[in-house]
Amino acid sequence: SAVISQKPSRDICQRGTSLTIQCQVDSQVTMMFWYRQQPGQSLTLIATANQGSEATYESGFVIDKFPISRPNLTFSTLTVSNMSPEDSSIYLCSVESVGGQTEAFFGQGTRLTVV
Amino acid sequence: GQQLNQSPQSMFIQEGEDVSMNCTSSSIFNTWLWYKQDPGEGPVLLIALYKAGELTSNGRLTAQFGITRKDSFLNISASIPSDVGIYFCAGCTLNAGGTSYGKLTFGQGTILTVHP
Repeated sequence: SAVISQKPSRDICQRGTSLTIQCQVDSQVTMMFWYRQQPGQSLTLIATANQGSEATYESGFVIDKFPISRPNLTFSTLTVSNMSPEDSSIYLCSVESVGGQTEAFFGQGTRLTVV
Repeated sequence: GQQLNQSPQSMFIQEGEDVSMNCTSSSIFNTWLWYKQDPGEGPVLLIALYKAGELTSNGRLTAQFGITRKDSFLNISASIPSDVGIYFCAGCTLNAGGTSYGKLTFGQGTILTVHP
């Protein structure tokens, strides 16, 4: 399984500001995924990030709000822009397993609180 | 879009008891995955199922991929206090190229509490 590191692990931010979350993987992967987990809820996919192309966003999520970078095969960032209290969630980075089997592994998440 | 219905929503059991939880879907999945999430952590993969009817064990955990490909269950035998956490099922479908690249649909989660 891949080892996935996210930074920061948690943050408290003022509304109207932006936060960039980093995700580093210990091996090269084709796709990286960003999920949101609102308090007490399940995980919802925000977008899929493919190296060298724009991210693909799921319904309800837009690039202006959640810009994503994928500069290489081991790294991605998710920015939560112009934050409001409703953005308070855990944001999780995920990658497919090496070898292409349908398994997804997750980072420890970034717990964001917007005040 | 696809939705997964996971039940029960929560369970309170005594140490040593067996636990069963399940997920159903209105559409077919090619892969079922079961995760456990501890507080402050990301989900950790417990079991992956790839074939309809497949029954797979991982220690005290057993999971099955339903024949219809629309459901899966997870059993935990002889529960212990460290089994406490939130358990999620997740389903995955393949794209036209036959790959999924890890894009998952999650169930709502089952909160498990184990009393010593």
